[in-house]
Amino acid sequence: QSVLTQPPSVSGAPGQRVTISCTGSSSNIGAGYDVHWYQHLPGAAPKLLIFGDTNRPSGVPDRFSGSKSGTSASLAISGLQAEDEADYYCQSYDSSLTGFYVFGSGTKVTVL
Amino acid sequence: QVQLVESGGGVVQPGRSLRLSCGASGFSFSNFGMHWVRQAPGKGLEWVAVVWYDGINQDYADSVKGRFTVSRDNSKSTLYLQMNSLRPEDTGVYFCARDRSQSLDFWGQGVVVTVSS
Repeated sequence: QSVLTQPPSVSGAPGQRVTISCTGSSSNIGAGYDVHWYQHLPGAAPKLLIFGDTNRPSGVPDRFSGSKSGTSASLAISGLQAEDEADYYCQSYDSSLTGFYVFGSGTKVTVL
Repeated sequence: QVQLVESGGGVVQPGRSLRLSCGASGFSFSNFGMHWVRQAPGKGLEWVAVVWYDGINQDYADSVKGRFTVSRDNSKSTLYLQMNSLRPEDTGVYFCARDRSQSLDFWGQGVVVTVSS
């Protein structure tokens, strides 16, 4: 059971906008810890998409954007492309005793 | 460019041990914390452990605490994960990754560990 909850799947047609939610609690996102997002293609290394809630590393298209409010965060993908079909994970830090770095349950994005 | 290459995976019986390595290049290894993250078959990512830049301090997920030990050799730019008392639920792909202000900004391709009799 993941500490951060994401929808199992989202889908959209090419060119559409999709959002992925990441719901935490007062010991992680709600405590003000940064949220980071990763894209993971099968058999590949996960790739950092968003760090520090809203920042994109160099080379990540501005179609990807992050936001945070309260105990939740979101990743938005605008202008959906076929190459965006992948698994997406949020990640934060947790101050409880169960583990310090926590990942979301993961969301499969399907491009219709 | 930053490169992380894991090695040491394989098939091991329950209760036995295995040591994973992660060779780093393209950056000043001794300046960064380093993580291990794993993915069980059909499951999501699970954080395993972190060792800070000097190797003195480490943190572990509850699921591996007391069985796994993370360490590093800065002179060899290499990260290690010593896994003891392995269980079938430890089966999965193990990734090493570099820490950047609590995010993981570069990852290796992963190495497969299978715990089975």
